[in-house]
Amino acid sequence: DAGVIQSPRHEVTEMGQEVTLRCKPISGHNSLFWYRQTMMRGLELLIYFNNNVPIDDSGMPEDRFSAKMPNASFSTLKIQPSEPRDSAVYFCASSLVRLGQQNTEAFFGQGTRLTVV
Amino acid sequence: KNQVEQSPQSLIILEGKNCTLQCNYTVSPFSNLRWYKQDTGRGPVSLTIMTFSENTKSNGRYTATLDADTKQSSLHITASQLSDSASYICVVSGDYAGNNRKLIWGLGTSLAVNP
Repeated sequence: DAGVIQSPRHEVTEMGQEVTLRCKPISGHNSLFWYRQTMMRGLELLIYFNNNVPIDDSGMPEDRFSAKMPNASFSTLKIQPSEPRDSAVYFCASSLVRLGQQNTEAFFGQGTRLTVV
Repeated sequence: KNQVEQSPQSLIILEGKNCTLQCNYTVSPFSNLRWYKQDTGRGPVSLTIMTFSENTKSNGRYTATLDADTKQSSLHITASQLSDSASYICVVSGDYAGNNRKLIWGLGTSLAVNP
């Protein structure tokens, strides 16, 4: 398996523009996570999907952020309109959660480095 | 407040030397503790996962310890190699369901191994 695949790897955009980040989870995994990483705050969970359904979006910072998972093999994170403070590395991760198993490992993609100027 | 604190913030060692990274946490409830390695420009990769009942776990030259009573963990790297240069992140799961939604992340220790 190629692992979690994210695109693009780098994105530079102007303030106010719409940005869409894409993620293909590992085949067969039933959980998907979007994270944001900054030097000051480390990794922060934005949203968590289970079986394509958003379960917890309490980490989404503002209404400008939205995420979708139309099927088990694809998810998007959209920022509209983007702002300079959104500049960060955004990671997608997936895992296979089995009932009763506590130590499920999350596998991360390579991330998308977003710069909003 | 659930927190994970790591020390030192950064560390420089010579190739071949050993080092130990520290993690203190105040997460409750506690399910498991993980150490991740993150190379520059890449996503985190899991090194070890330890539950409440595990005191030590090894993965090659990496050995993690856990003291659930004092809420402390350490990651020991033996005979360091240049490829060990990375950020090492301590993560505590406060989620009994095990679905990774309650992971509390430390800010990491940046390790540089010099020749």
